[in-house]
Amino acid sequence: ILNVEQSPQSLHVQEGDSTNFTCSFPSSNFYALHWYRWETAKSPEALFVMTLNGDEKKKGRISATLNTKEGYSYLYIKGSQPEDSATYLCASTSYDKVIFGPGTSLSVIP
Amino acid sequence: NAGVTQTPKFRVLKTGQSMTLLCAQDMNHEYMYWYRQDPGMGLRLIHYSVGEGTTAKGEVPDGYNVSRLKKQNFLLGLESAAPSQTSVYFCASSYRRVQNTEAFFGQGTRLTVV
Repeated sequence: ILNVEQSPQSLHVQEGDSTNFTCSFPSSNFYALHWYRWETAKSPEALFVMTLNGDEKKKGRISATLNTKEGYSYLYIKGSQPEDSATYLCASTSYDKVIFGPGTSLSVIP
Repeated sequence: NAGVTQTPKFRVLKTGQSMTLLCAQDMNHEYMYWYRQDPGMGLRLIHYSVGEGTTAKGEVPDGYNVSRLKKQNFLLGLESAAPSQTSVYFCASSYRRVQNTEAFFGQGTRLTVV
C-alpha cells in the first residue's frame, strides 16, 4: 500500500449502534498513526496518536487499535450518538512524511 | 483560546488573480503547515515551516508560495490563480514535528477560482 486508505467511505448507523472503520497504511518506515475527528464546518481535532504495535487507546466511547506489522488501525465507536456524526481521518506518519487518508464519513441517525 | 485562525474563510477569485491566505496561531508552535483538501482525497501538504524564517515544499507545492516572517504567522500565496486551485485550504500547527504529536487545525478557507 503506497497510500493511506480508509474504509468504508461513508457509514450510516442508528443511534445506539456500535460501529468500526479501518485505516490501512504503509507498514514500512512507520512512525505514528493519528486519528482525527472532523465535524462539518469545524476543523479536524486530534483523537489519538499511536506509535507502538498493539497500542490501544480509548477516549470515552471511542477507542482505537494499531497493527504496525500488517499496516492497519481500527477505530471503534460504542453506542453511537448523533453528536458522533463527523468525518474520521487517519494519518500515517513516517520520519519525513505525513499522509492523510480520505476519511470515513459517519452519520448517526436518531 | 483562539488556537489556529485562518483568514479569509471564503474567497472567489478570477483566473490569474493573486491572493494571500493568512494563518495565525497563538500556541507558540514551531511547526506550521498548509494543506489542501479536495473531494475524495486526503489532506495534501502544500508547504510547511519548521520555524520562523524557514519554509519547505510538501507534496503539492506548485503554484503556491509561502512565508514565515513571524513565528505565529504562516502565509500562503497564490500568484496567478488557476481553476485547479479551487479547494479548501487548511492551516495547521504543532509543537513538534507533526509526525510526533498532534496537529491543531484552523477552520479552513474555501477558495473558488472561476
